[in-house]
This record gives sequence, structure tokens and C-alpha cells, in this order.
Amino acid sequence: SQQGEEDPQALSIQEGENATMNCSYKTSINNLQWYRQNSGRGLVHLILIRSNEREKHSGRLRVTLDTSKKSSSLLITASRAADTASYFCATPLIYNQGGKLIFGQGTELSVKP
Amino acid sequence: DTAVSQTPKYLVTQMGNDKSIKCEQNLGHDTMYWYKQDSKKFLKIMFSYNNKELIINETVPNRFSPKSPDKAHLNLHINSLELGDSAVYFCASSQVRRSRPYGYTFGSGTRLTVV
Repeated sequence: SQQGEEDPQALSIQEGENATMNCSYKTSINNLQWYRQNSGRGLVHLILIRSNEREKHSGRLRVTLDTSKKSSSLLITASRAADTASYFCATPLIYNQGGKLIFGQGTELSVKP
Repeated sequence: DTAVSQTPKYLVTQMGNDKSIKCEQNLGHDTMYWYKQDSKKFLKIMFSYNNKELIINETVPNRFSPKSPDKAHLNLHINSLELGDSAVYFCASSQVRRSRPYGYTFGSGTRLTVV
């Protein structure tokens, strides 16, 4: 079964606006990761937040984690056309063997110039 | 210098054929993976290998056989290809500590089309 669900499935904004994507998951985790996938390319790791962290920043990215609600959000500030991509959250299961990550269904972000 | 490279990028083949996809990583990671991405972009793990040892085999048909000759290489061989095998296959690698994977590094994918 799918661990993560992302919301919205698609998001269209103008350049310069902020984009917020949400991820919910079902089981306990020790970290949560966000990835970006440009069209026709592989996924790129953006940021990892541990279960004992509530917020993390990386450049224009801000990630929050609320383990009581089993949810995370990714905020991209001052978006650019180059941010157009699909964004996925991913979680390893706490008693996971083998490093398996379970991916959400992704949010397709379109940033219009 | 490509960190995770997989070949070929595109593969078009007829039903019933056998094909292989190769993957190599130069990051020194101890764990490698194969994921399948369907037309709706849903990513599902197929296999993971840690230091050449198969750790995860996620109910994949036995027509799919991974092989890891060393910890830097993980190849995927598919026998008797079916239409439903059409998808994008991604190789990835990561370091795993105490069963926790750190960020994956993905290859650029192999788009397999079975006709």
C-alpha cells in the first residue's frame, strides 16, 4: 500500500509566487525526504528532515514535519520557471530492512513565466 | 562525472524478447535499488542489494532477475517481456546506516517500451 499521499496533485502558479506542497504518511518514520523530478529525468534528492526536527531550510526550500499529524510540507519561495517539475515525498519505514523508500504519488508543479 | 549511470536510456523491443539494463554507481554507496515508475509516475521498489546481497525482492515476477557482480554495479535482466512491463526503470543508490537510507541518488532512467 502507498505510504505517502501528496496534495495537491497539480499546482500552477506564476513566477515569483510561493508554492506549497503537502505530504501525508501512514506509519511511524525516522526521516522524510523530498525529491524533484524534471520531465524525462531521474529524481533528485532535495532535502531530508529527521523525525526529531520540525523545520529545515535549504536555499529557497523550507520543509516542515509534524509527526503528530503524520504530515510534511515543502515550500518553495520566489518560484522560478526552472522549478517546474514533479515533487515527491518519500519515507523509509522505521523497521525497514534494505533501505526501502516509499514514495508518494507526487505533485506536478508548473511555474509560468 | 555521472554518479549513477544506467544504460540504455531507451529500449524498444517486441513481446517475448529478453533484455538487460545496466547500472553503475561511483559514489561508494553500499546499497543499490531498482524502481519502476508507471505512466502515472507512481514509483515502486523492485529490488535492493546491499554489498552484492539481495535484501528486498518486492513480489516482482521471476522474469525479472537482478544481478550485482560488485557493490558498484546492479544489472536487471528481464525475460519474456510483456506489454505490461512498459515503464521507466530507475536505478538508485544510497548509504544505509542502521537500516535508515539516506538520500538516494538516481540514474536518469531507462524507458522500456514493449510492442
